[in-house]
Amino acid sequence: ETGVTQSPTHLIKTRGQQVTLRCSSQSGHNTVSWYQQALGQGPQFIFQYYREEENGRGNFPPRFSGLQFPNYSSELNVNALELDDSALYLCASGRVGTDTQYFGPGTRLTVL
Amino acid sequence: SQQGEEDPQALSIQEGENATMNCSYKTSINNLQWYRQNSGRGLVHLILIRSNEREKHSGRLRVTLDTSKKSSSLLITASRAADTASYFCATVAPGAGSYQLTFGKGTKLSVIP
Repeated sequence: ETGVTQSPTHLIKTRGQQVTLRCSSQSGHNTVSWYQQALGQGPQFIFQYYREEENGRGNFPPRFSGLQFPNYSSELNVNALELDDSALYLCASGRVGTDTQYFGPGTRLTVL
Repeated sequence: SQQGEEDPQALSIQEGENATMNCSYKTSINNLQWYRQNSGRGLVHLILIRSNEREKHSGRLRVTLDTSKKSSSLLITASRAADTASYFCATVAPGAGSYQLTFGKGTKLSVIP
């Protein structure tokens, strides 16, 4: 078990709605990254935050946005939900200058 | 997009046997990492091998890296039922932040008691 927590565990939304997912980083970590994992696939990098700013982004549209707070917790916001957004969303925290990421248990989002 | 391809996609073995999973990738890397995922939940970091290393050990895990062939293998010795999980390789490109992991599709390992 890592010290990274995510909420909620499961979420069901309908197409066109907006969703906010939350992540609490492991103590002492200052970076947080978000990944999307579709069923049967490996996780795909969405973006990373450091010092409350986006510090790298994968191939995801602007309707995926995030926030990092001074206590290093983080939010992932997705607007105008599409059916293909149904996936497990994972956050991972780490420290600048180290190579290991610590993943939370994930939030499973279903878009109907 | 997926950088790595794990092989095989699924593997079923008896408890006590060794399990070998392979990963191939397409572009140069800074390091390669292996993760385990139980039942579609969070990923657990297993081991990291840097591009200038050829082999690393951690407990019952042995990882090899061949940068000339752009491939890596993960060996789990004396497998246990608790090793049942999906295993992913993930690469970090040179110059990329350590946070930007590029994952393969994974190998689903079943260890039969």
